[in-house]
Amino acid sequence: EPEVTQTPSHQVTQMGQEVILRCVPISNHLYFYWYRQILGQKVEFLVSFYNNEISEKSEIFDDQFSVERPDGSNFTLKIRSTKLEDSAMYFCASVRGSTSYEQYFGPGTRLTVT
Amino acid sequence: QQQVKQSPQSLIVQKGGISIINCAYENTAFDYFPWYQQFPGKGPALLIAIRPDVSEKKEGRFTISFNKSAKQFSLHIMDSQPGDSATYFCAAMSYNFNKFYFGSGTKLNVKP
Repeated sequence: EPEVTQTPSHQVTQMGQEVILRCVPISNHLYFYWYRQILGQKVEFLVSFYNNEISEKSEIFDDQFSVERPDGSNFTLKIRSTKLEDSAMYFCASVRGSTSYEQYFGPGTRLTVT
Repeated sequence: QQQVKQSPQSLIVQKGGISIINCAYENTAFDYFPWYQQFPGKGPALLIAIRPDVSEKKEGRFTISFNKSAKQFSLHIMDSQPGDSATYFCAAMSYNFNKFYFGSGTKLNVKP
């Protein structure tokens, strides 16, 4: 069964460093999302992406964040200068679109900023 | 403004009992209402979903009840099992796929 994959599973970085979180969405999906979840808390929407453009972004997704689909398979989230409060689980998700609404999540990347 | 409100925050149910989690939404443009199950350290997994043209959808032990006029929907887990112990999130999305609005989550504990 097709699945969303994410790498790395755990990333430790120092405050102020740049990190890139990588995702491979399901191959025939057209809509891509990044979420974050601080331990034990709610799932927070960061950004959605379609047709090589950001569709919508939350207030969390400030100038320190960017997304990119550099090729036909990868979808990346970059944090330019990490802060302690960026420590969280980051989930990528994808939706095929058209008449298919099901959203599938990846296993997540745990980001720890020290 | 919180677009989707979920309750209760936590729920304890005996094995074999019925677990009921409720959500209410604000935006009448929403037309897809999924429920996700999340185990610790894992990503949310789609459990069951409903569109507003039906009032109920059942898949195995899981049922969504949908009340369009009240702008509410709920998840019922029949014959709850310890393996159902997880956090459940409701969500809502409008037709354009731009954003899924998530509820705050319900931590379910099914006691053996």
